Amino acid sequence: AQSVAQPEDQVNVAEGNPLTVKCTYSVSGNPYLFWYVQYPNRGLQFLLKYITGDNLVKGSYGFEAEFNKSQTSFHLKKPSALVSDSALYFCAVRPSNTGKLIFGQGTTLQVKP
Amino acid sequence: NAGVTQTPKFRVLKTGQSMTLLCAQDMNHEYMYWYRQDPGMGLRLIHYSVGEGTTAKGEVPDGYNVSRLKKQNFLLGLESAAPSQTSVYFCASRRTGGDYGYTFGSGTRLTVV
Repeated sequence: AQSVAQPEDQVNVAEGNPLTVKCTYSVSGNPYLFWYVQYPNRGLQFLLKYITGDNLVKGSYGFEAEFNKSQTSFHLKKPSALVSDSALYFCAVRPSNTGKLIFGQGTTLQVKP
Repeated sequence: NAGVTQTPKFRVLKTGQSMTLLCAQDMNHEYMYWYRQDPGMGLRLIHYSVGEGTTAKGEVPDGYNVSRLKKQNFLLGLESAAPSQTSVYFCASRRTGGDYGYTFGSGTRLTVV
């Protein structure tokens, strides 16, 4: 079965430190990969995507993600975390044989001052 | 502002009651989706539509019905609500082709008592 895994329920970092939120996937073909962010009581907002090309993708709010085909991973990163980055982050994958997104279970990022 | 609008934002139902959630988008998107979000489970697809007059089942369709009579609207119905349907419901839409980026509504928080 095709799936997306975010192995950490919560990631805690100190403000100013680098952050990584992990995502691995198991889908067929060459998938499209996405990261979304959800702030409390809000809908999901698009952060960045990988379709093809450079494995390092830059997105909104200083976030970036690295696609690693051999490890089937798409980890979200930011060099210097802000308290305002605290939110729920979802990785999503669109397999090549369908138009529907498959979401991971979400990772709560907590950035402390 | 262009986007996806969900109504209502909050609702409390008694077991056995029925209700309809409305999703409206003004971006002329062909595809529309209904997801439910539950803690630790990410977003799960309930039903989706690839165009006006068409609907299809997603991952967790039982207990729900949908209709897409107009291109801009996608309705999610609960005929006889159950406590297991307590959740946050999100609607999303996307255009045909492109990078498959979804636009999400802000959600409906439903409690069934």
